[in-house]
Amino acid sequence: QKEVEQNSGPLSVPEGAIASLNCTYSDRGSQSFFWYRQYSGKSPELIMSIYSNGDKEDGRFTAQLNKASQYVSLLIRDSQPSDSATYLCAVGPGNTGKLIFGQGTTLQVKP
Amino acid sequence: DAGITQSPRHKVTETGTPVTLRCHQTENHRYMYWYRQDPGHGLRLIHYSYGVKDTDKGEVSDGYSVSRSKTEDFLLTLESATSSQTSVYFCAISGNGAAETQYFGPGTRLLVL
Repeated sequence: QKEVEQNSGPLSVPEGAIASLNCTYSDRGSQSFFWYRQYSGKSPELIMSIYSNGDKEDGRFTAQLNKASQYVSLLIRDSQPSDSATYLCAVGPGNTGKLIFGQGTTLQVKP
Repeated sequence: DAGITQSPRHKVTETGTPVTLRCHQTENHRYMYWYRQDPGHGLRLIHYSYGVKDTDKGEVSDGYSVSRSKTEDFLLTLESATSSQTSVYFCAISGNGAAETQYFGPGTRLLVL
């Protein structure tokens, strides 16, 4: 069974610090990778998508993909209390829309 | 929410009754999805559609059926609701490429008593 694993947390970091969120996946054929943020009681919203090995930066967010090691990570620089949420990793085969989601990591940013 | 609405937003029903949830999009996207989200299980795909009248099963499709007669509408039906189907249901859409980002609707909270 294809799996996506995340540490459920909570991950607690002080305001201004770097938060590092990790995700591993089991299907070597995976081609598309996504990070979503979900506030309590709300729907998931896209933060980053990444398709190629290496780093992809967008503002304070950096996604890192290593297909050989089958992991994808999300770094949040200068963490803010408003970043406190659950972060979902999603992985897809690329030829269908069947994303597999991890259970999510809860991030707490303390002022 | 990327032009996606879900109705109803909240519903309480009794075991054994049929329930239909509606997802409506204004983005003219080809792909539409139904997920359920439960504590300890994360988001799990129920069914998805890759075009009008084209649907396929997801990870947890038992007890659910779907229909898509128009590009903009994707219906999820619980033929005979059970307490195990108490959950938050999310609809999502993506564009013409299967690998494209999925955008989520606001969700429907369903309680089956």
